[in-house]
Amino acid sequence: GNSVTQMEGPVTLSEEAFLTINCTYTATGYPSLFWYVQYPGEGLQLLLKATKADDKGSNKGFEATYRKETTSFHLEKGSVQVSDSAVYFCALRNTNAGKSTFGDGTTLTVKP
Amino acid sequence: EAGVVQSPRYKIIEKKQPVAFWCNPISGHNTLYWYLQNLGQGPELLIRYENEEAVDDSQLPKDRFSAERLKGVDSTLKIQPAELGDSAVYLCASSRGGQDTGELFFGEGSRLTVL
Repeated sequence: GNSVTQMEGPVTLSEEAFLTINCTYTATGYPSLFWYVQYPGEGLQLLLKATKADDKGSNKGFEATYRKETTSFHLEKGSVQVSDSAVYFCALRNTNAGKSTFGDGTTLTVKP
Repeated sequence: EAGVVQSPRYKIIEKKQPVAFWCNPISGHNTLYWYLQNLGQGPELLIRYENEEAVDDSQLPKDRFSAERLKGVDSTLKIQPAELGDSAVYLCASSRGGQDTGELFFGEGSRLTVL
């Protein structure tokens, strides 16, 4: 079956530091890949996505590239802000199955 | 557009009591999902609806959990009787369905505490 493995947290960084959160997956076929973010007290919301190999998703300074050869979709940001403090979830979806599979989430805390 | 609305946000009950959660998806979204989120874990699918039809309920514990989506809009998830291990956040999400991009739109969740 499908599975998503995320870098274990929590991750604590200083403001303006570089961020990488690793995500690898196991899936049949060609899934779409997603990063969702959950800010304190809010629901999960889509951060970025990529639907095919070598696609790069980007939003709010975050980027992730769909790497089929390494089955990875690592999240990166060059300079984090305090407002980026949240829980980040990597997810995949096989379009035909209509079902999304999530990683366990990585908690990021950015200190001023 | 209005987002996915869930209620209640918080519920505290004693074990063996019943509880129900309600979800109103984004208007026009044909697909509705109920997810379970345990502390420190990612969401796990309980049930997926396409319009009124439950097309994937393989992970729903049917001995105590039930769900319905009347008229293909709002949905209710019920637990009866609740057990201590049911303490978790119950998430509702919706999507356009069909050949959509796969993005899920989540509500804020209903946090259940069973004492």
